[in-house]
Amino acid sequence: QLVLTQSPSASASLGASVKLTCTLSSGHSRYAIAWHQQQPEKGPRYLMKLNSDGSHSKGDGIPDRFSGSSSGAERHLTISSLQSEDEADYYCQTWTTGIQIFGGGTKLTVL
Amino acid sequence: QVQLQESGPGLVKPSQTLSLSCTVSGGSISSGDYYWTWIRQHPGKGLEWIGYIYHSGTTYFNPSLKSRVTLSIDTSKNQLSLKLSSVTAADTAVYFCAAARGATAVDYWGQGTLVTVSS
Repeated sequence: QLVLTQSPSASASLGASVKLTCTLSSGHSRYAIAWHQQQPEKGPRYLMKLNSDGSHSKGDGIPDRFSGSSSGAERHLTISSLQSEDEADYYCQTWTTGIQIFGGGTKLTVL
Repeated sequence: QVQLQESGPGLVKPSQTLSLSCTVSGGSISSGDYYWTWIRQHPGKGLEWIGYIYHSGTTYFNPSLKSRVTLSIDTSKNQLSLKLSSVTAADTAVYFCAAARGATAVDYWGQGTLVTVSS
């Protein structure tokens, strides 16, 4: 069964970097995913599509501070030079024929 | 850049049908580039995919909701619609329409609309 697993929470200091992880279920390590950001009281925003080889394509206007990488079944979102507006929920998403799946989300706190 | 805007009643009574529309701008709903998608978010919870529809009318649904969901598109209005029947309080959520390129990543999101199921 295709499942995405995310840690419920993460925190990092203003100006620092943070790496969020989304893990694909066994047998699905070659799947691409997408990362989305949801700031408080707002709708989600597409950040990037991330392939199993680490290549990624970002959405319109997404700053260079956001980058993606892959390692096995793990898909990572790295945010550098953290700003206060990066405090948000981050969701990963994947897909197969006829279905879309979201991870449970990671709440990022910027200290 | 595609923009999406949901609209519809914010309050629905239990056992009735929830009906929402989504107006698409900045792109044609019949272009074939996107699968037009509905997603919901229960209060304080994560995202749940409801289903999507292609311009041809082909639909796919979340198995847990399939028996109650109807999706449609109106190319003349560049709109998509969601109907969810026999609602209960468990259907109280923010409902988002979105555009998923090639039935893969959701590229564009609407701002969402809160629907409360209550008598």
